[in-house]
Amino acid sequence: GAVVSQHPSWVICKSGTSVKIECRSLDFQATTMFWYRQFPKQSLMLMATSNEGSKATYEQGVEKDKFLINHASLTLSTLTVTSAHPEDSSFYICGPQSGVYNEQFFGPGTRLTVL
Amino acid sequence: SQQGEEDPQALSIQEGENATMNCSYKTSINNLQWYRQNSGRGLVHLILIRSNEREKHSGRLRVTLDTSKKSSSLLITASRAADTASYFCATDYYFGTGTSLTVIP
Repeated sequence: GAVVSQHPSWVICKSGTSVKIECRSLDFQATTMFWYRQFPKQSLMLMATSNEGSKATYEQGVEKDKFLINHASLTLSTLTVTSAHPEDSSFYICGPQSGVYNEQFFGPGTRLTVL
Repeated sequence: SQQGEEDPQALSIQEGENATMNCSYKTSINNLQWYRQNSGRGLVHLILIRSNEREKHSGRLRVTLDTSKKSSSLLITASRAADTASYFCATDYYFGTGTSLTVIP
């Protein structure tokens, strides 16, 4: 089965700082990466979609300057929450999509708490 | 609370027939995605349709979105046995429980 890792699994930071979340597909190449956030007791909300080597496409209401996405390689994508504020506290989940069968997998998530 | 539902829960058709699955949701959305999952496998991303789009095609798949009715449908034309799988819709606030499609050869 496909292995997806996210790092860190949880992070607590002060308001105003930036936090970088890494998502790695360990045994497959992800040509497309979906980034989601999940609020308590809610479904996954798609934030942005990125293809390797291209700029990410952001969904409505998601600030691209605040949530920086880098999909530099087929096995690594990063989401940086810049100048984080308490309202950014959430569960962030990556969803790499394999380019072979279009199967999409989900990372274990990163719990971000902004104080 | 449940933010949507899919119907039917199960659908069985003959090969060559068309299959239609429906998804309804309760809140305004930015986009809606359809996935397929074969038994024991991961989710396959089929189509993403945004709230300002009404219809999208991909091969034998046609997805419609009616934001006024808060509903979407997935149509598979000329079904094949290989289309047998579970199909899920997902919105910003809802990941469905799926429709189980069986295509009989």
